[in-house]
Amino acid sequence: DAGVIQSPRHEVTEMGQEVTLRCKPISGHNSLFWYRQTMMRGLELLIYFNNNVPIDDSGMPEDRFSAKMPNASFSTLKIQPSEPRDSAVYFCASSIRTGTNEKLFFGSGTQLSVL
Amino acid sequence: DQQVKQNSPSLSVQEGRISILNCDYTNSMFDYFLWYKKYPAEGPTFLISISSIKDKNEDGRFTVFLNKSAKHLSLHIVPSQPGDSAVYFCAAKDYGGATNKLIFGTGTLLAVQP
Repeated sequence: DAGVIQSPRHEVTEMGQEVTLRCKPISGHNSLFWYRQTMMRGLELLIYFNNNVPIDDSGMPEDRFSAKMPNASFSTLKIQPSEPRDSAVYFCASSIRTGTNEKLFFGSGTQLSVL
Repeated sequence: DQQVKQNSPSLSVQEGRISILNCDYTNSMFDYFLWYKKYPAEGPTFLISISSIKDKNEDGRFTVFLNKSAKHLSLHIVPSQPGDSAVYFCAAKDYGGATNKLIFGTGTLLAVQP
């Protein structure tokens, strides 16, 4: 199993540009999560999907952020337009509930720098 | 509003000694707690968990203690090894709740000195 795959690993862009982050969850997992890591707030949940349907997007900072999950094996997080304060590491994670022992499996993250 | 708090940004211990990482939470509905470990340039990986029906869970060198009345949990690592040096995140969820959200703290950077 290849685990959760994120691309790109690093993204450097200029303020105002559109940024698209990609995620392939673990096959068979039915929940997908997007988190953002910053020093001040730690790992912040942005949005999560269950069976490809967005369940809770209350963590999405503002309308510049959007996420989609067109099928069970792919999700995108888009920022348009990007701003310097969006610079952070963005993680995608997937999970499947097995009894009471549900665990999230994280990808390696995308380091985003907005100049 | 930080529902899961890790008030120590960093901790340094000597190899072979005990490392104690602390975590506090504010939401009394949380009933399932996890610790994740993160190395640089990697995603967090699951370490150990505990349900609110228990007050202790042990896995090898790692033990998690839960004090529900104080809304506090701690991770003990005994003995600490240099390979344990990483950022440790505490996380919590309301397992019976309507959503499947896992709320993380800000993390504690553990440095184990050889």
